[in-house]
Amino acid sequence: GAVVSQHPSWVICKSGTSVKIECRSLDFQATTMFWYRQFPKQSLMLMATSNEGSKATYEQGVEKDKFLINHASLTLSTLTVTSAHPEDSSFYICSARDGHGGRNQPQHFGDGTRLSIL
Amino acid sequence: AQSVAQPEDQVNVAEGNPLTVKCTYSVSGNPYLFWYVQYPNRGLQFLLKYITGDNLVKGSYGFEAEFNKSQTSFHLKKPSALVSDSALYFCAVRGDNAGNMLTFGGGTRLMVKP
Repeated sequence: GAVVSQHPSWVICKSGTSVKIECRSLDFQATTMFWYRQFPKQSLMLMATSNEGSKATYEQGVEKDKFLINHASLTLSTLTVTSAHPEDSSFYICSARDGHGGRNQPQHFGDGTRLSIL
Repeated sequence: AQSVAQPEDQVNVAEGNPLTVKCTYSVSGNPYLFWYVQYPNRGLQFLLKYITGDNLVKGSYGFEAEFNKSQTSFHLKKPSALVSDSALYFCAVRGDNAGNMLTFGGGTRLMVKP
């Protein structure tokens, strides 16, 4: 149980393109989803927290107009990288926490999306 | 503010030997502690967690971790390492009064050699 599906797994596109990444909880309802960015050989950096039906909470330094997050249902959150540039190239990972069982439940992670902007 | 330290960038062990991956933390309030494993080009897989109760927590794939409140540590252990355990391991912590914020350590690469 507790499977999170992230799609696509790899994207290569030209500079200026907007890219949408989907994160789905397949067998549980996720009232809260998280978006992370991971640079090579580094840890995860939390970008934003999204709650179903409300605006995402962005971490300091993350441009909300650049990284649009939508969490329209209990099983789906999307991250759109708008007008992507080479410096946006990175590994993006989403995670979700089961809405039942309280805040001590672990986060379950998607397999990540490698974004390469040419 | 909460933080996690994984002092070793890499741990090398021979197959069949015991392994330990170190983690220390700092939080306000009681800690919720987690270990995750990451394989190349993949997301993180949950291994185990400590919330309350027994200090020794058993998790997936034969891993266990010991919570030590006085030393603020949560080291990951396994009695007998496998080559397939080679991966990147992350320790994470959230204080019980820290909302949703989960803070990760820098990661430790475990290399198990045949």
